Amino acid sequence: AQSVTQPDIHITVSEGASLELRCNYSYGATPYLFWYVQSPGQGLQLLLKYFSGDTLVQGIKGFEAEFKRSQSSFNLRKPSVHWSDAAEYFCAVGSLRAGNMLTFGGGTRLMVKP
Amino acid sequence: DGGITQSPKYLFRKEGQNVTLSCEQNLNHDAMYWYRQDPGQGLRLIYYSQIVNDFQKGDIAEGYSVSREKKESFPLTVTSAQKNPTAFYLCASKPKMVADSYNEQFFGPGTRLTVL
Repeated sequence: AQSVTQPDIHITVSEGASLELRCNYSYGATPYLFWYVQSPGQGLQLLLKYFSGDTLVQGIKGFEAEFKRSQSSFNLRKPSVHWSDAAEYFCAVGSLRAGNMLTFGGGTRLMVKP
Repeated sequence: DGGITQSPKYLFRKEGQNVTLSCEQNLNHDAMYWYRQDPGQGLRLIYYSQIVNDFQKGDIAEGYSVSREKKESFPLTVTSAQKNPTAFYLCASKPKMVADSYNEQFFGPGTRLTVL
């Protein structure tokens, strides 16, 4: 069965500092990988996705993620964090089996210090 | 504007009552999903539907029911059999799959259900 692990429940960074959020997945085939962001009390917004091809993918709001098959990882990065990036971030893996469901990690809550 | 709407935003229910959460989309998406979100547990799939008049149980379907009578609507009923219904509920939709592609899911703003 597929699974996603986000090892860091909370992360605090200073505004302007770089950010890396970790995501490890378990999936038996080529994974379809996603990062979503959720502001408090809101729905999820897609930041970026990886299906195939270039392992470094660019997303919205200056985020990028790198797919590393050997490490089963899909870490999210941003070179300089803004206060508005404070939110919860979810990594997910998609399945091609019936329903094309997403399996989500537990999320990482990002706090940004001024 | 195209999108997914969920209503109400906040819902309060007494124990023993059934309650229905609304989800409507005007994106012409074929598939729709219901998730439950609890702190620190990510999102867990309750039910999903790939076409009208058909739906399947997800990982935590017990105590919930759904219907899909129209393409744009996928209401979720939280029944009195659901032991711990207080949570944030998210609805999502997705276009039909085509060969060699995988479309992302689009999410509504959510409904927070509190059982008193």
